[in-house]
Amino acid sequence: KAGVTQTPRYLIKTRGQQVTLSCSPISGHRSVSWYQQTPGQGLQFLFEYFSETQRNKGNFPGRFSGRQFSNSRSEMNVSTLELGDSALYLCASSLGYGGNGPIPMNTEAFFGQGTRLTVV
Amino acid sequence: AQSVTQLDSHVSVSEGTPVLLRCNYSSSYSPSLFWYVQHPNKGLQLLLKYTSAATLVKGINGFEAEFKKSETSFHLTKPSAHMSDAAEYFCVVSATNFGNEKLTFGTGTRLTIIP
Repeated sequence: KAGVTQTPRYLIKTRGQQVTLSCSPISGHRSVSWYQQTPGQGLQFLFEYFSETQRNKGNFPGRFSGRQFSNSRSEMNVSTLELGDSALYLCASSLGYGGNGPIPMNTEAFFGQGTRLTVV
Repeated sequence: AQSVTQLDSHVSVSEGTPVLLRCNYSSSYSPSLFWYVQHPNKGLQLLLKYTSAATLVKGINGFEAEFKKSETSFHLTKPSAHMSDAAEYFCVVSATNFGNEKLTFGTGTRLTIIP
């Protein structure tokens, strides 16, 4: 089956602009998480969506936002870009667990190849 | 809160020799622990996971890890290194005891294989 697809793969933006990144999860997966990877800070959790609702949020400023659509595809948006936002943004998809019924046996997170954002 | 500490930022081994990548964790409950690998310009791939079943976990490509609660460790090992193992390895803990929706990553260990 198709893996996690992130678009675009590479992006160059200017300070002050805004950017939208897209993530298409594996078919049937309802949870989508976003991570930022930088050489200085490593991999940091941004937020997680499950069934169109943001369930978890990391410690990032409000300039970072996201949403999830009814088909589980997710977008993240960064407004008023800063040089420090240059990073590899990774999306992870998993079956997820809504808190009701039996816990799925396999809730492995599958990662996309990422979007490399460069802010100049 | 949960966290992981990868004790070595860089490990070099000769091809054919054993690999040991060390990870200690901190969690207020029984954790779900993972090892992920990242090859250059690639996304993250799951090597193995521990979710309170067997303490010795076998993963892909000959890797395995042992969960030791008394030592709060989850070290990754492989008996014989291959050139293709050269990559960055991340020890990861999940904020939930069942899923993968909020992962806390270690700082990574870069594994170099010497021919």
